[in-house]
Amino acid sequence: GAVVSQHPSWVICKSGTSVKIECRSLDFQATTMFWYRQFPKQSLMLMATSNEGSKATYEQGVEKDKFLINHASLTLSTLTVTSAHPEDSSFYICSAAGRGLVDQPQHFGDGTRLSIL
Amino acid sequence: SQQGEEDPQALSIQEGENATMNCSYKTSINNLQWYRQNSGRGLVHLILIRSNEREKHSGRLRVTLDTSKKSSSLLITASRAADTASYFCATGNAGNMLTFGGGTRLMVKP
Repeated sequence: GAVVSQHPSWVICKSGTSVKIECRSLDFQATTMFWYRQFPKQSLMLMATSNEGSKATYEQGVEKDKFLINHASLTLSTLTVTSAHPEDSSFYICSAAGRGLVDQPQHFGDGTRLSIL
Repeated sequence: SQQGEEDPQALSIQEGENATMNCSYKTSINNLQWYRQNSGRGLVHLILIRSNEREKHSGRLRVTLDTSKKSSSLLITASRAADTASYFCATGNAGNMLTFGGGTRLMVKP
């Protein structure tokens, strides 16, 4: 089946640090990747949608200068949390969808737990 | 914003019992999907039901969809301790974007 690898799985860093999270589709070409944020015991909130080779589309309320998304290839998207602060601490999850998007599931990475001290 | 609401928010049952989770949504959809999430992990796709389908089975899972009531249900039969997880419904629309419900936390006691 389709496999999405997300790395790192856990990050602890100091306030002010920028953190990059990678999302790779291992056995299929991901024309679209999605980035979600999840708080404890809550649902997933879509942050942005990225299509290969174009700028990401951010959801309302998500700061694009804070959360930089790059989707440079059909197998890799990155999310960079710039100048992270404690309120950015959360669980970040990526997902990917291949060509022929109609009625297809998304394939999720295992998430990255980000803790800002 | 979340389109779906799930009911119940939490469910605790004994192993061997059936678990039923319900999902309601607000707008028209292309499909409805159910996902499972183990604690601290990503989501695993369970089943997708298209808007023109009414029922779908996969192993011990049974999903129904009632577009007139804008609701869906997920039934897990003969539950096992390993089924303990959070279950999310998600509505799919154009561009395969998903909008997730609030989730049901299922605990299956051995």
